Amino acid sequence: GESVGLHLPTLSVQEGDNSIINCAYSNSASDYFIWYKQESGKGPQFIIDIRSNMDKRQGQRVTVLLNKTVKHLSLQIAATQPGDSAVYFCAENTDKLIFGTGTRLQVFP
Amino acid sequence: GAVVSQHPSWVICKSGTSVKIECRSLDFQATTMFWYRQFPKQSLMLMATSNEGSKATYEQGVEKDKFLINHASLTLSTLTVTSAHPEDSSFYICSAGQGKGGYTFGSGTRLTVV
Repeated sequence: GESVGLHLPTLSVQEGDNSIINCAYSNSASDYFIWYKQESGKGPQFIIDIRSNMDKRQGQRVTVLLNKTVKHLSLQIAATQPGDSAVYFCAENTDKLIFGTGTRLQVFP
Repeated sequence: GAVVSQHPSWVICKSGTSVKIECRSLDFQATTMFWYRQFPKQSLMLMATSNEGSKATYEQGVEKDKFLINHASLTLSTLTVTSAHPEDSSFYICSAGQGKGGYTFGSGTRLTVV
């Protein structure tokens, strides 16, 4: 089946700490994964992507890890800032983009 | 970079009326566009895939006669919510495929049916 979102877990971190957001996907055929950031009342914003032939990819302050064996993705944000507060979604792509549950990241001073 | 414009950003309508939402790719052509619906504190749920020049493909459980999708050109897809009811109130978001798996999202439309 496809991942669906029924609730929104929350991760609270202190400013400057590292954040790790996890995501489980369901379709073994998915070969492309994307992390999005969504601020309130706005559309998703691309953060970083990874293809299934890789297990790690780094961007500016962000790293995505892919474990195909257990169908798990993680997004690591280094030195989390207040501006990082948002909801984060992973999405898996086959012929269409399906979103995971999402995690709300709250950054406190 | 690729930009997708969605209009209107918010709309309030009366029960029983229809509402049209536009999704435009401003600086690229999109043969495929996607429509999502998002309820508060939930994830984006794919409603349908809009294909230029052909009929849209709807996800299971989405009423095609209620959510009319038209993709008449390579830069415009429209979603019409027909005979809207309060339970249709939601945040509707479109995205346009750029090829090679890339997607650009619109800013969303907040629909409130009263």
